[in-house]
Amino acid sequence: QVQLQESGPGLVKPSETLSLTCTISGGSISSYYWSWIRQPPGKGLEWIGYIYYSGSTNYNPSLKSRVTISVDTSRNQFSLRLSSVSAADTAVYFCARDEQLYPTGWFDPWGQGTLVTVSS
Amino acid sequence: EIVMTQSPATLSVSPGERATLSCRASQSVDSNLAWYQQKPGQAPRLLIYGASTRATGIPARFSGSGSGTEFTLTINSLQSEDFAVYYCQQYNNWPPGRTFGQGTKVEIK
Repeated sequence: QVQLQESGPGLVKPSETLSLTCTISGGSISSYYWSWIRQPPGKGLEWIGYIYYSGSTNYNPSLKSRVTISVDTSRNQFSLRLSSVSAADTAVYFCARDEQLYPTGWFDPWGQGTLVTVSS
Repeated sequence: EIVMTQSPATLSVSPGERATLSCRASQSVDSNLAWYQQKPGQAPRLLIYGASTRATGIPARFSGSGSGTEFTLTINSLQSEDFAVYYCQQYNNWPPGRTFGQGTKVEIK
């Protein structure tokens, strides 16, 4: 079965760039969409954006100016970069497969999540 | 942006009873709605997609209904493992977007 695992620094300084990678095992990154979702401590879920294995992307308008999602099919990975971070970006970051079965869609499976704290 | 509003924020239910959770969309999302369960320290788990289709391995006591702007997740005969936070999520084809409700916590009464 497909499993996802997030990796990256757990601490990022304010104004710097947050970088995370999601590695997919048990299946191929090809032919699917893949998303990043985050959850501030004690709060709800926020979709950040998705990427198709071919490289096309779509981002949450509220984060679009700071977000870049990229894909590396040779490594079965996709990545998130969030620039100019502040304390408000402190959250658990999840990666997930973005299932799209027209006209509907959903997230499944999910990675376990990784906590990123923004602090000097 | 489509706003999803869940009610109530907290629902106190006794084991064995039924829980009814609501989710409202600020505009029609047709049947493009999913429900997730999240326990502390865990990733969300898909329960329902397409408003009413149970995901693989989800027990029959979980059911979803609704379309347009009003949706319901019903959990019959609550088990101890069902006490958790539940989120609804809309899926928009164009412009592409996904937004979550703020969650409903189902706690033991």
